[in-house]
Amino acid sequence: DAGITQSPRYKITETGRQVTLMCHQTWSHSYMFWYRQDLGHGLRLIYYSAAADITDKGEVPDGYVVSRSKTENFPLTLESATRSQTSVYFCASSQDKAGNTIYFGEGSWLTVV
Amino acid sequence: GENVEQHPSTLSVQEGDSAVIKCTYSDSASNYFPWYKQELGKGPQLIIDIRSNVGEKKDQRIAVTLNKTAKHFSLHITETQPEDSAVYFCAAILSGGSYIPTFGRGTSLIVHP
Repeated sequence: DAGITQSPRYKITETGRQVTLMCHQTWSHSYMFWYRQDLGHGLRLIYYSAAADITDKGEVPDGYVVSRSKTENFPLTLESATRSQTSVYFCASSQDKAGNTIYFGEGSWLTVV
Repeated sequence: GENVEQHPSTLSVQEGDSAVIKCTYSDSASNYFPWYKQELGKGPQLIIDIRSNVGEKKDQRIAVTLNKTAKHFSLHITETQPEDSAVYFCAAILSGGSYIPTFGRGTSLIVHP
């Protein structure tokens, strides 16, 4: 049972570079989410997707792009990384909107220098 | 949108004591309230949840209570153990509706042996 996996787990990049964080889930869950976790801010929603080809902005979408061409994948791209995007990023998925468990990946630690 | 306030941000207890973490929410339509535990270096994991038609739910040493009128819910951990040390997040969700999970900022629980 692979569940939800993120890659890379750790990444250091330079300001201005494009970075893509990958997220893959094996459950065929409809909903997928990207959160960033920063000290003092908890989990903030960046983008979410209700199904393939359907995405929507969360609380902090600026500087990020997502796509969902397949149900199982939900990559997050930082088009031009900034130091303020140094954070831990969590991908999550949920079966549907009926209030089922949200499953989180193990996180991707991103440092922008 | 929904706003979730979580208190305290840090909680330090002695092993064997009880710990209580409180959350308030703003949207009276929210009807699903999960609690997540995040251990160091890992993603959050669901530990218990409650729906708006229930006032209390228990699972061994943990319990959650919900007061819909006051729009607050609490996590209770009894007989705390060192392995309970983690960051705990509450969330409020309108299941079946817009379904955008809103998380509290987290509580760092430290259980001293």
